Amino acid sequence: EAGVVQSPRYKIIEKKQPVAFWCNPISGHNTLYWYLQNLGQGPELLIRYENEEAVDDSQLPKDRFSAERLKGVDSTLKIQPAELGDSAVYLCASSLGDGGVHQETQYFGPGTRLLVL
Amino acid sequence: KNQVEQSPQSLIILEGKNCTLQCNYTVSPFSNLRWYKQDTGRGPVSLTIMTFSENTKSNGRYTATLDADTKQSSLHITASQLSDSASYICVVRGWGDQTGANNLFFGTGTRLTVIP
Repeated sequence: EAGVVQSPRYKIIEKKQPVAFWCNPISGHNTLYWYLQNLGQGPELLIRYENEEAVDDSQLPKDRFSAERLKGVDSTLKIQPAELGDSAVYLCASSLGDGGVHQETQYFGPGTRLLVL
Repeated sequence: KNQVEQSPQSLIILEGKNCTLQCNYTVSPFSNLRWYKQDTGRGPVSLTIMTFSENTKSNGRYTATLDADTKQSSLHITASQLSDSASYICVVRGWGDQTGANNLFFGTGTRLTVIP
């Protein structure tokens, strides 16, 4: 069974340009997370979806970041315009979301490494 | 303030040796604690999970311990292998709606390098 798929794996853009990341969670997983991970740091939650609903986007910088999960399956995360400080790894994770949230395992994708020049 | 602190920040050991990584947290109320392994260029993978009532949990050569009274956890790696080189991240889940819907707190990780 395929794990969480993310694309692209690497992206280099100039500042002020837009960029988008795509995530396909594990089949059947209702909960999807987007995280930002700076070098040498732990992941920081940006947004969490339960099916197609964004249930926690309190840490998402909404002036430049947006996300969608229209059909409750795959998701896109967009930055427009990108800034130098956005250089990081963007991780997507998914979990079953079957109600047992306290012991649910999150399965992470390989991440998209973004470099803003 | 809910925090998770890990030590050391980085560690280099010889292949075959044992090592112990530390995680201290202030998250309260506490639900569970996970250790993740993150290989370079990959996403984190769950190694162990422990709830309040569990003191120890093993996964092969990895053994995690939890002292919920002192809010400390450790991850012990036995007979290290080159493939153990990775970052190890401690993640604590709080119980209930503490900071909105998100109640997962990530440590910054320990970078382990195993050398031949």
